[in-house]
Amino acid sequence: QKEVEQDPGPLSVPEGAIVSLNCTYSNSAFQYFMWYRQYSRKGPELLMYTYSSGNKEDGRFTAQVDKSSKYISLFIRDSQPSDSATYLCAINAGNNRKLIWGLGTSLAVNP
Amino acid sequence: NAGVTQTPKFQVLKTGQSMTLQCAQDMNHEYMSWYRQDPGMGLRLIHYSVGAGITDQGEVPNGYNVSRSTTEDFPLRLLSAAPSQTSVYFCASSYSLAGLQTQYFGPGTRLLVL
Repeated sequence: QKEVEQDPGPLSVPEGAIVSLNCTYSNSAFQYFMWYRQYSRKGPELLMYTYSSGNKEDGRFTAQVDKSSKYISLFIRDSQPSDSATYLCAINAGNNRKLIWGLGTSLAVNP
Repeated sequence: NAGVTQTPKFQVLKTGQSMTLQCAQDMNHEYMSWYRQDPGMGLRLIHYSVGAGITDQGEVPNGYNVSRSTTEDFPLRLLSAAPSQTSVYFCASSYSLAGLQTQYFGPGTRLLVL
């Protein structure tokens, strides 16, 4: 079993839709949960991070962590064509210097 | 600040050739790393460094060498290129050695090995 599982998609939604992106993980020691966004032919950039269970909101984006289920989610409200990108989850256990990456989910938001 | 810069942006090599991918950062980050990104495989860590003079292997180090003589620079050397090394290579830097790993990525180098 991979340490982090992420459905690669692709996911295609109409503009204005609510998007849900998800990752599951296997190691209960993981503490830090991050979402990166990667536009085509660009490097990943940090979108959001959290280190506890619950929700964290930033504008149209909400990151959710459920440690009991080992499940993390990224919600995008009122999705825009500019949100079209690949979204990668990244997790680590704190003192571990190495991030564990999901494969990324490709999202297309259609005008 | 330029952030993380990488050169070249694109390179074509023949099997057996060697080359160096350059990476530099101007954020005074101690932690730097090299990844390769392949379809269906995601980001895989090649080598990383926790400071000048200190490097360590990631999950796919074979065929690659690194050195870290300064805080700013972290070049990746391909010793004898193979078609399996065709990939997109990303350099990243981070200000944290533990806990939250906010990594800043360069724009990538696309490498094609014929």
